[in-house]
Amino acid sequence: GAVVSQHPSRVICKSGTSVKIECRSLDFQATTMFWYRQFPKQSLMLMATSNEGSKATYEQGVEKDKFLINHASLTLSTLTVTSAHPEDSSFYICSAIRSLAKNIQYFGAGTRLSVL
Amino acid sequence: DQQVKQNSPSLSVQEGRISILNCDYTNSMFDYFLWYKKYPAEGPTFLISISSIKDKNEDGRFTVFLNKSAKHLSLHIVPSQPGDSAVYFCAASTLQGAQKLVFGQGTRLTINP
Repeated sequence: GAVVSQHPSRVICKSGTSVKIECRSLDFQATTMFWYRQFPKQSLMLMATSNEGSKATYEQGVEKDKFLINHASLTLSTLTVTSAHPEDSSFYICSAIRSLAKNIQYFGAGTRLSVL
Repeated sequence: DQQVKQNSPSLSVQEGRISILNCDYTNSMFDYFLWYKKYPAEGPTFLISISSIKDKNEDGRFTVFLNKSAKHLSLHIVPSQPGDSAVYFCAASTLQGAQKLVFGQGTRLTINP
């Protein structure tokens, strides 16, 4: 199966700082990547769709200035949580599509963000 | 508005028996369905999928059934093994929907020895 690497796996930061999370497709090129957020015992909620070389498409209710997404290459997308606050603490997961012919998303291992 | 629902938060099955996980959806535009398995602190792992033109897809111990008229799909695991203990998510998408997935809430499956 396709391998998606996400880094860091866990980050603890102070309120007001910014945190960058990286998502890499290791053995394939991904023109489209997705960023999700998962609250405890809840489903994965799509935050945004990241397309290589263009602006990300954000879901309703997601602040684009708060969650900056950059998809600069076919193998890397980054999510930056700017001026993080305790309510931003969550589990963030990225995914990538290997082939447009098959709508299967391959997920990274996730990043646990804790904002103090 | 929960478009994909997994009404059983947990399920416990004896090793060797069949595990049946259920999922209902409300959006009739969904035409592609997937099941993912997730361990704690890890990302979901793709298990099996089915398109709306089929009513069954089988891959080893895993079979997914789709009942379009009832807007219901299920995942059968047989025989169940201890390593199957995880949270299972069903997800749905429309082929026209830019590959976006809508996930259910998940069902925690525990396989007892």
